[in-house]
Amino acid sequence: AQKVTQAQTEISVVEKEDVTLDCVYETRDTTYYLFWYKQPPSGELVFLIRRNSFDEQNEISGRYSWNFQKSTSSFNFTITASQVVDSAVYFCALSGLTGANNLFFGTGTRLTVIP
Amino acid sequence: DAGVIQSPRHEVTEMGQEVTLRCKPISGHNSLFWYRQTMMRGLELLIYFNNNVPIDDSGMPEDRFSAKMPNASFSTLKIQPSEPRDSAVYFCASSVSGTAGNTIYFGEGSWLTVV
Repeated sequence: AQKVTQAQTEISVVEKEDVTLDCVYETRDTTYYLFWYKQPPSGELVFLIRRNSFDEQNEISGRYSWNFQKSTSSFNFTITASQVVDSAVYFCALSGLTGANNLFFGTGTRLTVIP
Repeated sequence: DAGVIQSPRHEVTEMGQEVTLRCKPISGHNSLFWYRQTMMRGLELLIYFNNNVPIDDSGMPEDRFSAKMPNASFSTLKIQPSEPRDSAVYFCASSVSGTAGNTIYFGEGSWLTVV
């Protein structure tokens, strides 16, 4: 069975602080894919990143970076120098060969960046 | 490029009424998904189509829910009769194919309130 755990329900930081959102996953598939989505207050779900299980290289995109570690089944997301516009709910999701293309979502972490 | 387009964005209806939600996937995408988001259950897959054919509808809550995809550019999710517990955000999403790991792109959601 696929499972994604986001233990942090809510996080508040002051603008310009760095923040890391945790994601731990469970799967029996040897090939799987991990995703992060952002849901701003307006409600849409915005795709941020996709990683496959064979690529453990960390990725950086502007102020965003992702740390994928298979040894701990984690795919953490760090925002550097946070901004008010980063305030949103962030979802980690998993897709494996089991269940075809279905995405299994975590419960989300609500990030509030205080000006 | 146009993303996934959903309508209506917001709907308030009375219990017992029929509700029809509409979706236009991204052009060229062969897989279409309907997700529901509630506070209690988070994001859950209701049904997905591959090449207009329903592949997995195990997430459809009950017979009151039905989904169709008459062609590659249009899908509907119908609730008849609607009940207050159906109040949720319904997301339509699409991806290039049903192969595991393809990025799924979401529409802005249809916010349904049944009173």
